[in-house]
Amino acid sequence: NAGVTQTPKFRILKIGQSMTLQCTQDMNHNYMYWYRQDPGMGLKLIYYSVGAGITDKGEVPNGYNVSRSTTEDFPLRLELAAPSQTSVYFCASSREYSNQPQHFGDGTRLSIL
Amino acid sequence: DQQVKQNSPSLSVQEGRISILNCDYTNSMFDYFLWYKKYPAEGPTFLISISSIKDKNEDGRFTVFLNKSAKHLSLHIVPSQPGDSAVYFCAARSSRGSNYKLTFGKGTLLTVNP
Repeated sequence: NAGVTQTPKFRILKIGQSMTLQCTQDMNHNYMYWYRQDPGMGLKLIYYSVGAGITDKGEVPNGYNVSRSTTEDFPLRLELAAPSQTSVYFCASSREYSNQPQHFGDGTRLSIL
Repeated sequence: DQQVKQNSPSLSVQEGRISILNCDYTNSMFDYFLWYKKYPAEGPTFLISISSIKDKNEDGRFTVFLNKSAKHLSLHIVPSQPGDSAVYFCAARSSRGSNYKLTFGKGTLLTVNP
């Protein structure tokens, strides 16, 4: 049972480059989320989606874009990478009921140099 | 403005003893609380949760207590085992709206010594 799968696990980018972090889930969850975790900090919400075609900003959306064309996939795009985006990125999904926890992928460690 | 606070960055306990991890929150709209456990190079794993209509929830060795008046919750692990060594995150959310966004604390690193 795969759960939430994130690719790549590691990536080094140069300033100004762009890339897409992939996230897919096989649990048929409608709700999906992207978080970033900086060293010594908690997870902060970047974007979330409550279903295919519906996305909304979280706490720290600047410099990122998302799309949700299918229930399974929720890619996160960095258009112009900046050093401040060096972080570990986690994707999560959950059912649409209030007492359901979010399930996380293993993260993508991204360094911008 | 940190709405969920874990004031102890680290905690060390002996195997077999009790581990108590604490969490405070400031947002009175929060009505559902979760604890996640995270090992290095892995994603957070859901551990246990509690709704604001309860003051205690147990699952095996793990018990979460909620004190709404003090806006405080704690996770008790009894007995502690070396495999419990991990970072523990407290998270909270409000049922208002329908997105169930989580607000996380900074985490507490628990080390259980054999």
